[in-house]
Amino acid sequence: QSALTQPASVSGSPGQSITISCTGTSSDIGGYNYVSWYQQHPGKAPKLMIYDVSKRPSGVSNRFSGSKSGNTASLTISGLQAEDEADYYCNSYTSSITWVFGGGTKLTVL
Amino acid sequence: EVQLVQSGAEVKKPGESLKISCKGSGYYFNTYWIGWVRQMPGKGLEWMGIIYPGDSDTRYNPSFQGQVTISADKSVSTAYLQWGSLKASDTAMYYCVRPDSGYWGQGTLVTVSS
Repeated sequence: QSALTQPASVSGSPGQSITISCTGTSSDIGGYNYVSWYQQHPGKAPKLMIYDVSKRPSGVSNRFSGSKSGNTASLTISGLQAEDEADYYCNSYTSSITWVFGGGTKLTVL
Repeated sequence: EVQLVQSGAEVKKPGESLKISCKGSGYYFNTYWIGWVRQMPGKGLEWMGIIYPGDSDTRYNPSFQGQVTISADKSVSTAYLQWGSLKASDTAMYYCVRPDSGYWGQGTLVTVSS
């Protein structure tokens, strides 16, 4: 199974909004509403930010939002803050009853 | 409180075997899939495979099929990841994860070096 496709890097200034895309196929993102997004700071375990395409776990800022259209999911971070600088990974359930990650996107807050 | 607690860091030589563990608590271990994720130094996350402890149904990412063995022991609420013969390229951080809800273990660093 191939990894989902994410941009290698994105950047934005404090206060701005950014969107990270995640493209798959009809066998993963397009076929199920089980897309999640993880944030990973250096040396730390990943943290769940969005699940089931657009739901936020308790404690996650409402500046983080998720959506999906066809085979592409997106993570939007509004009101960028310095602490948002991290790696972000999308994740999707697949038709082979397994899961697949995206390649990861490095977010730089300028 | 749901917790996944992994075994400690390991330093091994090429050709040696290894079994690392992940103990679940705070939920009914038997009825949730649990998976293993590899993160090589400076690289991204890769699903290795997942197991349903209730009946040991196991699904492997084709890239890891035959390279590792995933198992679970319901009696002690623990999942395992096992290598028969380690290679230097197995050096990585390994995480156990409950994919339904995003609970992660703290990670086990495996270093393989002669």
